[in-house]
Amino acid sequence: AQSVTQPDIHITVSEGASLELRCNYSYGATPYLFWYVQSPGQGLQLLLKYFSGDTLVQGIKGFEAEFKRSQSSFNLRKPSVHWSDAAEYFCAVGAANNNDMRFGAGTRLTVKP
Amino acid sequence: DADVTQTPRNRITKTGKRIMLECSQTKGHDRMYWYRQDPGLGLRLIYYSFDVKDINKGEISDGYSVSRQAQAKFSLSLESAIPNQTALYFCATSPTVPSGGYTFGSGTRLTVV
Repeated sequence: AQSVTQPDIHITVSEGASLELRCNYSYGATPYLFWYVQSPGQGLQLLLKYFSGDTLVQGIKGFEAEFKRSQSSFNLRKPSVHWSDAAEYFCAVGAANNNDMRFGAGTRLTVKP
Repeated sequence: DADVTQTPRNRITKTGKRIMLECSQTKGHDRMYWYRQDPGLGLRLIYYSFDVKDINKGEISDGYSVSRQAQAKFSLSLESAIPNQTALYFCATSPTVPSGGYTFGSGTRLTVV
């Protein structure tokens, strides 16, 4: 079965600084990759997804992610972080039949003023 | 109205009690899922259903059961609640195509005392 590792449990960045959240996956075939964001007290919201084509994908709220097959990675980036980006971020990998979406343990983002 | 509605939002119950968590969706999707979220563990799949007549166990189904009452409704039951079932529970729905991603409810925070 596929699996996901998010190496960073907690990251703190200053407002206006750039952000990169790491995600590594394990899956034998071409994966379906997702990033979700969870604000306090809320469910998970889809930020972006990759399943084929251009390896750099754009999402909502100014986020982007790059699929690198050689590194089995799908890192999330944002050029300039806003205080409202403080949340928990989850990377997920899905299989072709979509019945087994595996989530990483999450990375909590704190934004300093 | 939210695309995926979970009730109740919060619940405290006693060990040994039976409890049902309910989920309804207005996305018109056939696929529905129940996950639990624990700190540091991300989301783990409990049960999933691809249509009204299809129910499947996920990674951690022991101690749980589900019922798919209609395309839009998928409930999760704890037959005899125990303290280590204290968690945040999420319902989600997705389209059939795997690239569609999931739409999550806002979650039910369950505490078993």
